[in-house]
Amino acid sequence: EPEVTQTPSHQVTQMGQEVILRCVPISNHLYFYWYRQILGQKVEFLVSFYNNEISEKSEIFDDRFSVERPDGSNFTLKIRSTKLEDSAMYFCASSALAGETQYFGPGTRLLVL
Amino acid sequence: GESVGLHLPTLSVQEGDNSIINCAYSNSASDYFIWYKQESGKGPQFIIDIRSNMDKRQGQRVTVLLNKTVKHLSLQIAATQPGDSAVYFCAEKLGGNQFYFGTGTSLTVIP
Repeated sequence: EPEVTQTPSHQVTQMGQEVILRCVPISNHLYFYWYRQILGQKVEFLVSFYNNEISEKSEIFDDRFSVERPDGSNFTLKIRSTKLEDSAMYFCASSALAGETQYFGPGTRLLVL
Repeated sequence: GESVGLHLPTLSVQEGDNSIINCAYSNSASDYFIWYKQESGKGPQFIIDIRSNMDKRQGQRVTVLLNKTVKHLSLQIAATQPGDSAVYFCAEKLGGNQFYFGTGTSLTVIP
């Protein structure tokens, strides 16, 4: 069964550094998303991406965040100038159609020290 | 932001019993709902979905009920098994592609 994959599974970085989280969405999906989940809290939407453009983003997705689809398979989330409060689990998701079921990857646990 | 909340943060059931997990949503215009299961250290896993033009949808051992009058969603798991132990989230969509998640209910199945 096709699934969303994410790398790395864990990432530790120093405050102020840049991180890139990588995702490979399900191959025939066209819509891609990033969510985050701070430990013990709800899953929060960050951004949706379609046709090489951001279609929606939340207040969390400030100008330190960016997304990119550098090739036909990868979808990345870059966080510049990381802050302690960026520590969370970051989930990538994809869907075949807009507004349809989103399938999640296993997540990357980011720890900012 | 939107409010999607769960009535009970924890639920314990005996193996073999049926489980009912509840969710309240705040926006009557939400048109699509999904129940996700999240096991420790893993991403949310799709369980079942329902659109706002339906009241009930059944899957394998799971049933979702939607009561639009009171803006309530429930997930029923039949013959609960130890492997069902996880946190269950409801998520609602109000137009667009953005889903709003509840805080989750932790289901523990007692063997």
